[in-house]
Amino acid sequence: NAGVTQTPKFQVLKTGQSMTLQCAQDMNHEYMSWYRQDPGMGLRLIHYSVGAGITDQGEVPNGYNVSRSTTEDFPLRLLSAAPSQTSVYFCASSHGTSGGPTDTQYFGPGTRLTVL
Amino acid sequence: KQEVTQIPAALSVPEGENLVLNCSFTDSAIYNLQWFRQDPGKGLTSLLLIQSSQREQTSGRLNASLDKSSGRSTLYIAASQPGDSATYLCAVRPSGSARQLTFGSGTQLTVLP
Repeated sequence: NAGVTQTPKFQVLKTGQSMTLQCAQDMNHEYMSWYRQDPGMGLRLIHYSVGAGITDQGEVPNGYNVSRSTTEDFPLRLLSAAPSQTSVYFCASSHGTSGGPTDTQYFGPGTRLTVL
Repeated sequence: KQEVTQIPAALSVPEGENLVLNCSFTDSAIYNLQWFRQDPGKGLTSLLLIQSSQREQTSGRLNASLDKSSGRSTLYIAASQPGDSATYLCAVRPSGSARQLTFGSGTQLTVLP
């Protein structure tokens, strides 16, 4: 299994540009989520999905869109990039969220985004 | 709102020492608590998951405990090695309808050879 994969690894954008961060998992996990990690602020949830066709907002959703057309893929779209979106973005997945061992979160390697 | 705190933010110890990392949370209504490791420039790797009904979990040299009533968890690392150097994060899964993980800011551990 490849686990959770993310592309690209690095990206530089200019203010106002749009782009899509890709995330895929091959573990047949229902639950997927996107986080951003900023120095001193830990990980903050952007959007999440509990299954194909179902998405919801997390703590910091403004400026981002998601969709979940398949179980495997969960892309994150930046609509109009701003310098405040400079961050490291992580995608994660788990089999469930009910508290048992299947709740273990698996993370991708991250995308380092710089917005100029 | 659930808040998760990890103190200290950074810790440096000599090789071979046993050490304890701390995690505290404000709302005891949780399904589980998870400990992760993050190496520089990498993603998070799950170390241990403790369910709310459990008191501790062990994996090799790692032992994590959970005291839900006091809102505390500890990660004990025995016989530390330079390869243990990383940032350790804890996260709690609330048991309400919004079951999103809340993360602490992490403790950066350096084990000196």
